[in-house]
This record gives sequence, C-alpha cells and structure tokens, in this order.
Amino acid sequence: EVQLVESGGGLVQPGGSLRLSCAASGFTFSRYSMDWVRQTPGKGLEWVSYITSDSSTISYADSVKGRFTVSRDNARNSLYLQLSSLRAEDTAVYYCARRAYGSGTYYNFHDYWGQGTLVTVSS
Amino acid sequence: DIQMTQSPSSLSAYVGDRVTITCRASQGISNYLAWFQQKPGKAPKPLIYAASSLQSGVPSKFSGSGSGTDFTLTISSLQPEDFATYYCQQYNSYPLTFGPGTKVDIK
Repeated sequence: EVQLVESGGGLVQPGGSLRLSCAASGFTFSRYSMDWVRQTPGKGLEWVSYITSDSSTISYADSVKGRFTVSRDNARNSLYLQLSSLRAEDTAVYYCARRAYGSGTYYNFHDYWGQGTLVTVSS
Repeated sequence: DIQMTQSPSSLSAYVGDRVTITCRASQGISNYLAWFQQKPGKAPKPLIYAASSLQSGVPSKFSGSGSGTDFTLTISSLQPEDFATYYCQQYNSYPLTFGPGTKVDIK
C-alpha cells in the first residue's frame, strides 16, 4: 500500500525556519517525481515545489522561491522541504504528493497524497 | 499563470441526484486536467486525470469530460459519502494551479 506521511510542522515565529519531511513507503520511491502542495482557508490549494526522481530538475512557486528548498534522499525514501524566512502567509497545511510514473506532461498529475502537516507562522 | 475557475462555488443536492460541476481554464490546457475530492480534515483524494480517466479504485459514478478550456465533473447518483468539496487542477504548465473548489452538501 502506498503511504506518504508528512511530519515536521509546528508553530514558528516570523523569519524562522522549519524542515518538513515526507516518508514514503509501499512503492519504489526513487522512480517517482514528487511535489509539495499547501492549503490555506483563504487561498485554497497552492502548488509549492517539484522535484524529479533523481533531483535533476527542481522548480518552485514564485511565492516561495529563494526561501524554500526541496530535496530528497532516495536511500531513506524521504522527501524534504526546508522552509526559511517564514511569513504569516506561509501558514498552511503542507502536503507531499506523488506524481504518476512516467515522463512528459501527460504524467504530471498526482496519484497519491499524504495526510498533511500544519505549519503556523505567528509571534 | 493559468487561472482556474469553478462553478458553482457550492450546491445542495439530494441523495440520488445527478450533479455536474464545471471548471474553466483561463487558457487552453488540452486535456491536462485533474479532479480531486476533499472531505473536512482530510487530504485531497485524486478522482480523475487527463480530464476523463478514472484514478485506480474510483467508482464509475464519477466521470469527467472536456478539453481546451472547459471541463465538467459529473457524479451520476449522489451518495452520502460523496458530500465533499471538489477541486479541479491544471497540470499543463507551471505553476500547477487549482480551482477554488465546489462544496457539495446535503439538501
């Protein structure tokens, strides 16, 4: 059974940092590209970042570029998101999501999501 | 960025009703569109990809159609477990963008 389990969320002050993790199981993690997506009551669902299976291609939403860093450790079946210079507007539930297996635009959809981890940025 | 809109933003329906939700993209996205279902406190659940293909394990009462800029999600016979919020998402280009959601509740 495919499982994605996020962790690392919590309360952090503005300007602070946090590292989110996503532990993958039930599939060959090293073969799949992954995304981070966040959700807030106000802005809804927002794509945050993408990383290919071999980390050769990485992209970010403009809203987090220069502040967030995505990485993965295929030996540990884990995906990470380093959040820095946090702002109140980064408060959200952060989900990791698996892309369908394959390359090209046709496979850019998600087939599994984790349960999410809540990040609250507040003083 | 490609903007996604959905209509209606909410609807009330009876068990057994046929329900249709519309999603529109601000520019053509071919058929690179997905639909998700989300219940309170839960992660989005993928339902449909490529505008009309069902994800594994999703019942056939869900169907999708459309191409270009206009898409629909139809639930053929609404059941109690289908009351949720539904989102569309385009994956034609970055940034991936989502619609604002359509909340389906019990009439």
